Amino acid sequence: GENVEQHPSTLSVQEGDSAVIKCTYSDSASNYFPWYKQELGKRPQLIIDIRSNVGEKKDQRIAVTLNKTAKHFSLHITETQPEDSAVYFCAASIEGGGNKLTFGTGTQLKVEL
Amino acid sequence: GAVVSQHPSWVICKSGTSVKIECRSLDFQATTMFWYRQFPKQSLMLMATSNEGSKATYEQGVEKDKFLINHASLTLSTLTVTSAHPEDSSFYICSAPDATRTNEKLFFGSGTQLSVL
Repeated sequence: GENVEQHPSTLSVQEGDSAVIKCTYSDSASNYFPWYKQELGKRPQLIIDIRSNVGEKKDQRIAVTLNKTAKHFSLHITETQPEDSAVYFCAASIEGGGNKLTFGTGTQLKVEL
Repeated sequence: GAVVSQHPSWVICKSGTSVKIECRSLDFQATTMFWYRQFPKQSLMLMATSNEGSKATYEQGVEKDKFLINHASLTLSTLTVTSAHPEDSSFYICSAPDATRTNEKLFFGSGTQLSVL
């Protein structure tokens, strides 16, 4: 089955700096890669996603890049703000194959003032 | 987006009792429901996939006799933790795909925090 690795497990940045979280996946059939933000005790919230037919996607301060050859994808947050502090999960799935997500191990992001 | 309603949001029970968690799709038909478990400071781990009208598919290492899943209708899936023990204390969350959506297609319930005393 799919295996998704994520790093770093914790990331501390100063407000206004950029944050980068990286993930690798193992199943070359995976074609959908969402990123979720989760606050303690809450459901994961989709913040951005990318499909395998594109290499990069941006939404305001958030961007995701995908390297299918290397099976890497990354989340980039620019101009970080304290409210960006949360746990972030990457995930991978085969869209059309039931949407079963395999999650990465999570990154605790802390944005310090 | 689509709405998946999950109840209860938290439950405290005594060891040995059973707990039922419900997930309902409110504005779409959920032929499939994914059940995840999340221990503190860990990732969401898929436990099982339920399909309306058929038996659930369990992930390796998940006891099907302990975690009973029923998906009797297109809008309701339930997870029953039987004979719960303290090690079953965790955050349980469901998610259902809505294939009719064009962008976000997978919708999560709000989660259930289970504490077994």
